[in-house]
Amino acid sequence: GQSLEQPSEVTAVEGAIVQINCTYQTSGFYGLSWYQQHDGGAPTFLSYNALDGLEETGRFSSFLSRSDSYGYLLLQELQMKDSASYFCAVRINTNAGKSTFGDGTTLTVKP
Amino acid sequence: EAGVTQFPSHSVIEKGQTVTLRCDPISGHDNLYWYRRVMGKEIKFLLHFVKESKQDESGMPNNRFLAERTGGTYSTLKVQPAELEDSGVYFCASSRSTGGTSGSEQYFGPGTRLTVT
Repeated sequence: GQSLEQPSEVTAVEGAIVQINCTYQTSGFYGLSWYQQHDGGAPTFLSYNALDGLEETGRFSSFLSRSDSYGYLLLQELQMKDSASYFCAVRINTNAGKSTFGDGTTLTVKP
Repeated sequence: EAGVTQFPSHSVIEKGQTVTLRCDPISGHDNLYWYRRVMGKEIKFLLHFVKESKQDESGMPNNRFLAERTGGTYSTLKVQPAELEDSGVYFCASSRSTGGTSGSEQYFGPGTRLTVT
C-alpha cells in the first residue's frame, strides 16, 4: 500500500519559521506536492518537487530527498493567515494523474 | 479563468437515499479527479477521468458509487444507496495534463459536504 506520514499539528508564532515534514512509502514515485487548505475549503496547490533539492516560492519553500523518501515544506515569516492544514501528496507515476495524500498537518500561528 | 465548481455545497440525506454530486472543471482541463475526505483523515483518491474516459477508478469504494463524465465536460458522482460511512467531503479537482508540474498542480473545487443520517 501507499503511506505518507506528516505531523498532525504544529504551532508557531508570527514571524517565525516552521518546517512540516513528510515521509512516504509508495510503490512508485514521480513527484511530491504540497497543498494548503483553509477551514476545510478547497485545497490550494503550493509547490511541487520531482527532483532532489529545494524549490523556493516566496515565503514558502519545499525540499525533496528521493533517496530518503522525505520532503518538507518550509514556511518563513509566518503570518496569521498561514494558519491552515497542509497536505503532502505523492504522484506514483506520470501516467497516473492521481495523487496520494497524507492526513494533513494543522498549523496554528499565534500572535 | 473560473475555478472548479461543485454542487451542492452541502447535502444531508437519509441512509438508503440517492445523492448526485456535480463537478464543473476548469474549462480546457481534460483531467478530472474525484477525492473524498472522511472524518478529518487523508484526502483519498476515488477516480480519474481523461476527457470522458475513466483512466483510473481504483479508489472507488464499491459499486454503490457511479461516476460519469459525458461529453468530457462536467462530471457527476452518484451514490446509491447511501450508507452512513459515505459521509464526508467530496472534492473534485482538475488539471490540464498529467505530465510534469502542470500535471501535479491540481485545482480543487470547494467540495460537497455529504452527511448521511
